[in-house]
Amino acid sequence: ETGVTQSPTHLIKTRGQQVTLRCSSQSGHNTVSWYQQALGQGPQFIFQYYREEENGRGNFPPRFSGLQFPNYSSELNVNALELDDSALYLCASSLVSGGGAGAEQFFGPGTRLTVL
Amino acid sequence: QQQVKQSPQSLIVQKGGISIINCAYENTAFDYFPWYQQFPGKGPALLIAIRPDVSEKKEGRFTISFNKSAKQFSLHIMDSQPGDSATYFCAASTLGNQFYFGTGTSLTVIP
Repeated sequence: ETGVTQSPTHLIKTRGQQVTLRCSSQSGHNTVSWYQQALGQGPQFIFQYYREEENGRGNFPPRFSGLQFPNYSSELNVNALELDDSALYLCASSLVSGGGAGAEQFFGPGTRLTVL
Repeated sequence: QQQVKQSPQSLIVQKGGISIINCAYENTAFDYFPWYQQFPGKGPALLIAIRPDVSEKKEGRFTISFNKSAKQFSLHIMDSQPGDSATYFCAASTLGNQFYFGTGTSLTVIP
């Protein structure tokens, strides 16, 4: 059983550019959630994908968008990068059954994004 | 508004001592309360979790105490070891959706 993997590990972009981050969910999991973790802070929920559909969104602007693929892997896209977007971006996968209670989320190692 | 409030921000404990981290929440719809451990440069790792139908859960040296009426839960680390030095986050969620994290507690265990 493989865990959650993310790529790339580190990324440096300049303000105004666009970035795509990738996540492979843990084997058997059908749900992917993305979080932004600023330095010294707890992770902040960006959005969640369940069966290729967005299934909840946090307080992030529309320039943060995502996709989930049939194999349950996922992408996070951020357009028009701002300096404040510099953070560790975490992907977490879980197995959610219809109507079930809160499911365990397993995190990947994250992608460290630096915006200059 | 912070959905989950965590304290203390930092904690220093002697090796062999007990580390206690507290969290409080407001939303009574939360039905899952995990604790995560995070080392520098790594993603959070699930440590232990509890659902609101029990008041305590123990796994090895780690215990969660849950007080539903007070809307509080805490993590107790018994016999703390230097390898436990990390940042700990409490979280709360409902129906497997959005997880709300606390602001984290930096634990240092002194040999």
